[in-house]
Amino acid sequence: AQSVTQLDSQVPVFEEAPVELRCNYSSSVSVYLFWYVQYPNQGLQLLLKYLSGSTLVKGINGFEAEFNKSQTSFHLRKPSVHISDTAEYFCAVRKNNQGGKLIFGQGTELSVKP
Amino acid sequence: SAVISQKPSRDICQRGTSLTIQCQVDSQVTMMFWYRQQPGQSLTLIATANQGSEATYESGFVIDKFPISRPNLTFSTLTVSNMSPEDSSIYLCSVTGWGGVNTEAFFGQGTRLTVV
Repeated sequence: AQSVTQLDSQVPVFEEAPVELRCNYSSSVSVYLFWYVQYPNQGLQLLLKYLSGSTLVKGINGFEAEFNKSQTSFHLRKPSVHISDTAEYFCAVRKNNQGGKLIFGQGTELSVKP
Repeated sequence: SAVISQKPSRDICQRGTSLTIQCQVDSQVTMMFWYRQQPGQSLTLIATANQGSEATYESGFVIDKFPISRPNLTFSTLTVSNMSPEDSSIYLCSVTGWGGVNTEAFFGQGTRLTVV
């Protein structure tokens, strides 16, 4: 069975500091990997995705993530965060033969302080 | 991308009643999904709805409690039946398009349900 683990439930960070949100997954088959962001009282917005190819993927708002197959990780990074990045971040996986059905991690609450 | 509209955006309901949530997409899509996000929790898939067939429910969810309709390729409804306070959650509709494996999932804004 697939599972997704986000290792940090809350990450407080000061503005302009770098941040890394960690995500590990387990799966017996190849998967696609996603990071979504949820701002307060809003739906989910896709930040970035890994389907194949280069293991370093760049997304919106200056975020990037690196797929590490040997460590089954897909950590999200941003070199300098803004107050507006304060939100809940979800890592998700999908089997490569199942369109749209996502397994989500528990979420990481990123809190950017001035 | 797909634009998804959910109605209602929020509701407060009495226990024992039912609420039907609507999901409208601005383009035809193959698969539609309903997720539940309990307070402070992650998203859990309730069921997959394909047009012209019965919805497929995930473990722990049953049709009697969460009946789903999918009358065409742009619309679906989820009903939360015989509600209890434990059903208080955000319910989200999600779709994928026709792009096959390269298609990501898009989400509606969600329906915030409070059962009292």
